[in-house]
Amino acid sequence: GNSVTQMEGPVTLSEEAFLTINCTYTATGYPSLFWYVQYPGEGLQLLLKATKADDKGSNKGFEATYRKETTSFHLEKGSVQVSDSAVYFCALSMISGGYNKLIFGAGTRLAVHP
Amino acid sequence: NAGVTQTPKFQVLKTGQSMTLQCAQDMNHEYMSWYRQDPGMGLRLIHYSVGAGITDQGEVPNGYNVSRSTTEDFPLRLLSAAPSQTSVYFCASSYSKTTNTYEQYFGPGTRLTVT
Repeated sequence: GNSVTQMEGPVTLSEEAFLTINCTYTATGYPSLFWYVQYPGEGLQLLLKATKADDKGSNKGFEATYRKETTSFHLEKGSVQVSDSAVYFCALSMISGGYNKLIFGAGTRLAVHP
Repeated sequence: NAGVTQTPKFQVLKTGQSMTLQCAQDMNHEYMSWYRQDPGMGLRLIHYSVGAGITDQGEVPNGYNVSRSTTEDFPLRLLSAAPSQTSVYFCASSYSKTTNTYEQYFGPGTRLTVT
C-alpha cells in the first residue's frame, strides 16, 4: 500500500544551523508530494509541494526535491531560525475514487534554540 | 475569507456521550475531509466528501458518522464516545473548480478528551 516514513524526532538545532528532515515514500503510480508545517496550537499549513519527479518545491527558505529513483522527498533549510520550531509532516497525495487522499508521515518535531 | 473554521476548540466527554464537531469552509471547495491526529501516527483520514450529498469512508471510520447537506458544512458526529476517540480532530477542504487546484486547507483543530 501507500505509505510515508519520516525521521523520528525531536530534532534539536541551534539557530543558523543546517536542517535536513528525511522522508521516503512507498506508492503505486505517481503521487504528488508535500511538506506541511504545524505550529504550536494551530492546524497544518502547506509548506511546499512537488507534483512530478525532479521537481523542487521551495518556500520560506525550505526546499525539497522529488527523487523518484530513491523514493524520497527530504526537507532542507540552510539556516534555521527559532521561529521555525514546529512539527513537520511529509505527505503524499493519490487520486482514489475521484478524491485526492493525503497520506501522512508520523511528523518530526523541530526545536531551534537561540 | 475565514478559510476553514472548526468548533469547539476543546471538548471533554464522558464515555457513551454523543456530540457533533462542526466544520465550515467559505472557499467554495468541493472536497472536505476529517482527520484525527494521534501522537506518533501523523494524521489519519476518517471520512471525506467530494460534494454535497456524497460521503465516503477513510482509513479509520468506525465510531464516526458524517453528512454533507451543503457545500460549506461537513459535521462529524460521535454517536457514543469512547476513550479511544481521545484525539485532535482536523477538518480540511480542497479542490476548487475555478482554479482546478487540489491543495488541502486545514482548520485549527478540535481537541477532544473522552473520560
